[in-house]
Amino acid sequence: GAGVSQSPSNKVTEKGKDVELRCDPISGHTALYWYRQSLGQGLEFLIYFQGNSAPDKSGLPSDRFSAERTGGSVSTLTIQRTQQEDSAVYLCASSADRGVNNEQFFGPGTRLTVL
Amino acid sequence: AQRVTQPEKLLSVFKGAPVELKCNYSYSGSPELFWYVQYSRQRLQLLLRHISRESIKGFTADLNKGETSFHLKKPFAQEEDSAMYYCAHRGQLTFGSGTQLTVLP
Repeated sequence: GAGVSQSPSNKVTEKGKDVELRCDPISGHTALYWYRQSLGQGLEFLIYFQGNSAPDKSGLPSDRFSAERTGGSVSTLTIQRTQQEDSAVYLCASSADRGVNNEQFFGPGTRLTVL
Repeated sequence: AQRVTQPEKLLSVFKGAPVELKCNYSYSGSPELFWYVQYSRQRLQLLLRHISRESIKGFTADLNKGETSFHLKKPFAQEEDSAMYYCAHRGQLTFGSGTQLTVLP
């Protein structure tokens, strides 16, 4: 079946603009994660959704970042008033649950460039 | 705070040589550790998890609680092993900064 998909694959924006990044998880997966992959910084956890529970937002770097997950499926990561330091690859992942043996399946990422 | 450390950003070995990618963690509870791999122009994917005690593509990783390590090893590296490797702890899936492995012909 289809894996995790993300759109757009690339996004170039001007400093100060808002952007929305979309993630379509694997059907039936209850857990969804957003990460940021910066050059030389590894992967940084941003936010986590599990079913109908309140999301874990502890990784969001500032209040300019927010995310929603509608209907327990598609998720949107929104960055307001983008800054140059927001430039990175944003990865989405989903898993069947958050059990001990869960495997996270990653999307191809969205490369965000803020000019 | 939970932390996963990969001290080597870059690692090069020759084909057929043994390879060890280092990972150290700090976590107060029972660790749940993974290795993820990202081949060139491919998605990040799970390589192995410590709880399964599995060997994938010839790679193994042993959890050493005394040294708080979870190093990834392969006795004979192959060129197709060249990739970025990330050690991760379950929690919020805390990732290390990654090690770029290059296997030279």
